[in-house]
Amino acid sequence: EAGVVQSPRYKIIEKKQPVAFWCNPISGHNTLYWYLQNLGQGPELLIRYENEEAVDDSQLPKDRFSAERLKGVDSTLKIQPAELGDSAVYLCASSSGQGYDEQFFGPGTRLTVL
Amino acid sequence: EDQVTQSPEALRLQEGESSSLNCSYTVSGLRGLFWYRQDPGKGPEFLFTLYSAGEEKEKERLKATLTKKESFLHITAPKPEDSATYLCAVNARGGSTLGRLYFGRGTQLTVWP
Repeated sequence: EAGVVQSPRYKIIEKKQPVAFWCNPISGHNTLYWYLQNLGQGPELLIRYENEEAVDDSQLPKDRFSAERLKGVDSTLKIQPAELGDSAVYLCASSSGQGYDEQFFGPGTRLTVL
Repeated sequence: EDQVTQSPEALRLQEGESSSLNCSYTVSGLRGLFWYRQDPGKGPEFLFTLYSAGEEKEKERLKATLTKKESFLHITAPKPEDSATYLCAVNARGGSTLGRLYFGRGTQLTVWP
């Protein structure tokens, strides 16, 4: 069974530039999560989707971050414009249930903002 | 407000030297405690889920236990390949925040030959 796929794996941009991350969850998983992980910290949830609906986006900085999951499968997370403090690893995860089940993570995208 | 605290932050063990990692939590209405392993440059890898006090789960050299306030990850006779950061997370509350995992900062384990 293929795991969660993310691309790109690494991204280096200059501040104020836009950037987008893509995630393809495990087949059949209806719930998709985007997390942010700073160095030496545990992941922090940015947004959770149940199919196409964003059911928990209270921790997403909506002034510069946006996300979509148009057909309930793939998802894209965008930052525009990027700031120096956005440098981190962006992780995507998926689960088969609606909250109680284990979440399976992708390899992450390491973003560096110069 | 810290909901999940892991200790120690770092642990160095000699191969074969058993030890335990601690995860204490302060959430009410626990709906699952999760252990993950994370290797450098990779995403967290799922290990265990525990749902109720007294529950235990094992996988190879790892055993996870849960009480009402904390969880332990016991590592028996570790090998160098067990070196990684071990993350603990809790799933609490409900409603719109259901499914939101609150992670600790992790314990960085190094096992030397």
